[in-house]
Amino acid sequence: SYELTQPPSVSVSPGQTARITCSGDALPKQYAYWYQQKPGQAPVLVIYKDSERPSGIPERFSGSSSGTTVTLTISGVQAEDEADYYCQSADSSGTRVFGTGTKVTVL
Amino acid sequence: EVQLVESGGGLVKPGGSLRLSCAASGFTFSSYSMNWVRQAPGKGLEWVSSISSSSSYIYYADSVKGRFTISRDNAKNSLYLQMNSLRAEDTAVYYCARDQFTNDAFDIWGQGTMVTVSS
Repeated sequence: SYELTQPPSVSVSPGQTARITCSGDALPKQYAYWYQQKPGQAPVLVIYKDSERPSGIPERFSGSSSGTTVTLTISGVQAEDEADYYCQSADSSGTRVFGTGTKVTVL
Repeated sequence: EVQLVESGGGLVKPGGSLRLSCAASGFTFSSYSMNWVRQAPGKGLEWVSSISSSSSYIYYADSVKGRFTISRDNAKNSLYLQMNSLRAEDTAVYYCARDQFTNDAFDIWGQGTMVTVSS
């Protein structure tokens, strides 16, 4: 299987924009997904198929893809967005992989 | 309400076995692929295993291959993970997660069950 690399941490002031990157060699060929996880809670899917947003997820969450990097963007960050974020993808053999995770701190 | 509820976690000695269960409700369980994902204390998420809706396709992470077995009973709306030859590094919260229909995302998660491997 392959690896997905994320920055360990991102800090942002309320109302500003947070961008979290995820890099992996297979990303040009496979969709990426993003999860938000708050302490003591199960992860929640916030973006699927690179840029689609599930129902119930605020519009301030968006996703994009370019080459071997996908990006989760949180526009107008709110205090409640402070959490760990993980990207995830799959490979052609049916296995799944998670990124290393990024802790978003709202200053 | 769509829901997944895990059970079966606990304390087990190295080399021991444990069987986790996941009870599904609120959706047509037999139509969805299902997964186990784990998270060691203070660490990131790790995919463990997947099983297709009819059990035709099964996949494992290299870290558990040959030791863990995933299975399901569609008549009972239940998913299972049989864990043998447990090691300290298997200590984690184990989540049951549903595949989003037609793609590889995990759209519904259980609350998790803790497995501790220690002597």
